[in-house]
Amino acid sequence: GESVGLHLPTLSVQEGDNSIINCAYSNSASDYFIWYKQESGKGPQFIIDIRSNMDKRQGQRVTVLLNKTVKHLSLQIAATQPGDSAVYFCAERLSGTYKYIFGTGTRLKVLA
Amino acid sequence: GAVVSQHPSWVICKSGTSVKIECRSLDFQATTMFWYRQFPKQSLMLMATSNEGSKATYEQGVEKDKFLINHASLTLSTLTVTSAHPEDSSFYICSASPDRGYQPQHFGDGTRLSIL
Repeated sequence: GESVGLHLPTLSVQEGDNSIINCAYSNSASDYFIWYKQESGKGPQFIIDIRSNMDKRQGQRVTVLLNKTVKHLSLQIAATQPGDSAVYFCAERLSGTYKYIFGTGTRLKVLA
Repeated sequence: GAVVSQHPSWVICKSGTSVKIECRSLDFQATTMFWYRQFPKQSLMLMATSNEGSKATYEQGVEKDKFLINHASLTLSTLTVTSAHPEDSSFYICSASPDRGYQPQHFGDGTRLSIL
């Protein structure tokens, strides 16, 4: 289930299940979106990206969906594994810049 | 893939000390690099944009005299926390991307700064 912690919402899923992490972005003019995974004590690691002229992109075990109408981004992880446990951030790039705004993040906990 | 190296990974020092953090793009050139600060269980907060050969652009509320940024080459940016105090203790992370089109930011592994 999903719960809101002191700062980071947490999503708990059973190993092998699919995970869906959601993000609401702020700027309708943003043209590029990225999902990052951050493990404890490390910098964010690139997972997948999508440009604003697309609504879906698939990678290995991951899919990103973009709904520009409601400014919503989601990350789907298939067959979630213990190694997927981390904090996930979405980031939007402001059009015409290289400047990114990060979402609040979601902690994914994979239950054995 | 694009690799960003950040050094040191961990610093403990006394109040009043200045601390320099380096960020290097190892296999690509980056005209622009970014410095972020992250508090526990929170998201990344952009502090400043580092521009090669020119002055950095600081976000609102970030003291440019406290956080000095130098971007002297296309592969190196440095952040110096001057006269650090305990409230400057945090996790500092840099990022960079190749200067072409739609390329994701790649991050260093961060620097844990603890001021005693």
